[in-house]
Amino acid sequence: AQSVTQLDSQVPVFEEAPVELRCNYSSSVSVYLFWYVQYPNQGLQLLLKYLSGSTLVKGINGFEAEFNKSQTSFHLRKPSVHISDTAEYFCAVSGSDYKLSFGAGTTVTVRA
Amino acid sequence: GAVVSQHPSWVICKSGTSVKIECRSLDFQATTMFWYRQFPKQSLMLMATSNEGSKATYEQGVEKDKFLINHASLTLSTLTVTSAHPEDSSFYICSATRTGYFYEQYFGPGTRLTVT
Repeated sequence: AQSVTQLDSQVPVFEEAPVELRCNYSSSVSVYLFWYVQYPNQGLQLLLKYLSGSTLVKGINGFEAEFNKSQTSFHLRKPSVHISDTAEYFCAVSGSDYKLSFGAGTTVTVRA
Repeated sequence: GAVVSQHPSWVICKSGTSVKIECRSLDFQATTMFWYRQFPKQSLMLMATSNEGSKATYEQGVEKDKFLINHASLTLSTLTVTSAHPEDSSFYICSATRTGYFYEQYFGPGTRLTVT
């Protein structure tokens, strides 16, 4: 079975500053990795996904993530955040059964 | 494209009653749908996987007789919480995968259930 660990429960950041959200996964087989964003009282929106190929994945809203197999990590980054990026971010992993296992989530609060 | 809707968006019911939540894929056919629950300030926990035309597969610890899932068509899955109790109060979210694209799930907006 696969699982993910999000290393930061809360990340406060100033507007226009960079942000990095850390995610480590554990799996003995090939995995698919995802980052989702959730705004209050809403469902999840896919930011980006890694299925195969290039280890640097670019997503929506200026986010990108890098798959690092040797470190079993899939960290999410954005070079300059906006107030509207304030939300909950979830890292998720799936394997051959396509079921998603989510991390505990990281709350990003962007301050002016 | 790939829009998933849920109805209702929020519901309040009395303890002991049943409530049905609908999950629809609006612009694609969904062979597989998933149901999750999310407690406040927590992550999503997979409850069950439903495939069109067959019985749902429940995760360990989820009572299948309490959470009835019906995936009657390629665009609709329903979750019925039977004999609801206050501890069933939660945010229920469904997702769907497009036929042939099983690795990517599209999520609905969620349903807030409050049992009084």
